Amino acid sequence: GEDVEQSLFLSVREGDSSVINCTYTDSSSTYLYWYKQEPGAGLQLLTYIFSNMDMKQDQRLTVLLNKKDKHLSLRIADTQTGDSAIYFCAKSGGSQGNLIFGKGTKLSVKP
Amino acid sequence: KAGVTQTPRYLIKTRGQQVTLSCSPISGHRSVSWYQQTPGQGLQFLFEYFSETQRNKGNFPGRFSGRQFSNSRSEMNVSTLELGDSALYLCASSVQALSTEAFFGQGTRLTVV
Repeated sequence: GEDVEQSLFLSVREGDSSVINCTYTDSSSTYLYWYKQEPGAGLQLLTYIFSNMDMKQDQRLTVLLNKKDKHLSLRIADTQTGDSAIYFCAKSGGSQGNLIFGKGTKLSVKP
Repeated sequence: KAGVTQTPRYLIKTRGQQVTLSCSPISGHRSVSWYQQTPGQGLQFLFEYFSETQRNKGNFPGRFSGRQFSNSRSEMNVSTLELGDSALYLCASSVQALSTEAFFGQGTRLTVV
């Protein structure tokens, strides 16, 4: 079946790099997304990558894709307290044309 | 450019009642999708509308319905509310169906008591 999995928690110190990991199933070509959700808010689209790409960089964010292992990671450089949030990995191509989301990784940034 | 607007932000209803939630997509976007977010189940797809037609539907009972108007605004309705319907309901808008980018609203927090 279609599935997206991610670890539930990550804690880092301010100024360090954060790496949030995600694995997915299904071999179809797909888009892979990272969304950020702050408390009481909706989902903010951070970045996305097509499944035939290896890497995408956007300012402090770097997305790495290992196509063979179906492993996606989001690296946040110089993590700030404002980066504390839940980060969702998602893939397109659900059976109803929908996005399929992981359970989310709660990132805590300690000063 | 205004983002996706969902109203109301918070709602408290009693079991058995019905509720209507509204979503105004980004100007120029014609596709609207709805998702339910709960702590236990995470984010689950409800349905997608494009050009006033429901294109896809997730695995939810018939109590959950929706529609889209000619200006692309969408409403979802839940009838005969159950306690388990308490959730954050999120709406996402895209330029077109199956678009690469989907932008979410702030959500409507529904509490059923």
